[in-house]
Amino acid sequence: NAGVTQTPKFRVLKTGQSMTLLCAQDMNHEYMYWYRQDPGMGLRLIHYSVGEGTTAKGEVPDGYNVSRLKKQNFLLGLESAAPSQTSVYFCASKDGGSSNEQYFGPGTRLTVT
Amino acid sequence: AQSVSQHNHHVILSEAASLELGCNYSYGGTVNLFWYVQYPGQHLQLLLKYFSGDPLVKGIKGFEAEFIKSKFSFNLRKPSVQWSDTAEYFCAVNAKAAGNKLTFGGGTRVLVKP
Repeated sequence: NAGVTQTPKFRVLKTGQSMTLLCAQDMNHEYMYWYRQDPGMGLRLIHYSVGEGTTAKGEVPDGYNVSRLKKQNFLLGLESAAPSQTSVYFCASKDGGSSNEQYFGPGTRLTVT
Repeated sequence: AQSVSQHNHHVILSEAASLELGCNYSYGGTVNLFWYVQYPGQHLQLLLKYFSGDPLVKGIKGFEAEFIKSKFSFNLRKPSVQWSDTAEYFCAVNAKAAGNKLTFGGGTRVLVKP
């Protein structure tokens, strides 16, 4: 099992550019999440999905969109990047059972100049 | 606002010293509690978790945590740290009252001097 994978690992964008981050998991998990990690603020939830075809807003959704067209993939889109979106982005997944443990991907470091 | 608080942002200690990291949360009702660790340049890994039962939870690498419901706390401890414990540690709470989503504390950076 590869677990949770993310592409790309690093990216530099100019203000106003768009990009999509891909998260893939091979554990057949129902739930998937996108977080951003900023110094001193822990991880903050951007969007999440409780199953294929469903998405919901998290704590800091503005400026991001997501899609979950396939159960194993969860895409995070930035339509018009801003310097405030410079961060490390982590994807996570978990199963729909009683265990609430989330499994994290390796992260994507995004810099917006 | 409901939140998760980690009291120390940075901790520096020497090898063999004891470590205790504080975590408090403000959710009522049913909670599941986690400590994650992030080694330099790596992703988050689960150290330990509490769902129910014995409030003293043992995790990997000699870590343990104690859930004290009356204090809304879930402090992480290790009796004797090693240089390899240098990492950032995150407390997280999954609360039914918060829609069963994980809420993270701000993290504590631990530096262990050899």
